[in-house]
Amino acid sequence: DQQVKQNSPSLSVQEGRISILNCDYTNSMFDYFLWYKKYPAEGPTFLISISSIKDKNEDGRFTVFLNKSAKHLSLHIVPSQPGDSAVYFCAASARSSSNTGKLIFGQGTTLQVKP
Amino acid sequence: DAGITQSPRHKVTETGTPVTLRCHQTENHRYMYWYRQDPGHGLRLIHYSYGVKDTDKGEVSDGYSVSRSKTEDFLLTLESATSSQTSVYFCATGDGMTGELFFGEGSRLTVL
Repeated sequence: DQQVKQNSPSLSVQEGRISILNCDYTNSMFDYFLWYKKYPAEGPTFLISISSIKDKNEDGRFTVFLNKSAKHLSLHIVPSQPGDSAVYFCAASARSSSNTGKLIFGQGTTLQVKP
Repeated sequence: DAGITQSPRHKVTETGTPVTLRCHQTENHRYMYWYRQDPGHGLRLIHYSYGVKDTDKGEVSDGYSVSRSKTEDFLLTLESATSSQTSVYFCATGDGMTGELFFGEGSRLTVL
């Protein structure tokens, strides 16, 4: 049972447009959510996070939105740049109920930004 | 950058042979993790450690064991490798405060 799901394996957008990556979760104990970016032959790198007490967090071109009632979060990239082409992983943890720090990841979405 | 080094970076082995992957960190993080990445599955947690000699199982722990004798080192062992363990393995560390994990560059393992 996949607790964190990214139902779109891939997404292609034009440079300068908005990229929207989606993520759904099933475990109501999750209270902290993160997005990671991964280039080929490299490890994932942290991009942006959001706590369940918020519904939006913004960092430059990247904004994460959280809809707790729908158990859904999304990552918006505006404007998209060719260098954003990578695999994006959504991740979740239950920080308030567990001190293990472990993250549960989704399957990933491959974003291609065309020049 | 949490200063995480994985070795070996690439390994090809045969079914039934033992394999050990090493993760070394220089940040003195308390928590260490081993994930595997497979197409269609994303990153799945194999084992993790919350201190020296303290380890626990993750989602896909069957066929794997771990050891942590020092804060900086976390070993992943496949006692008898199988083709289903062909994957890219990532080590990660965390300080347990920020909620963020830092990843190594990965170890690509091929079991023939």
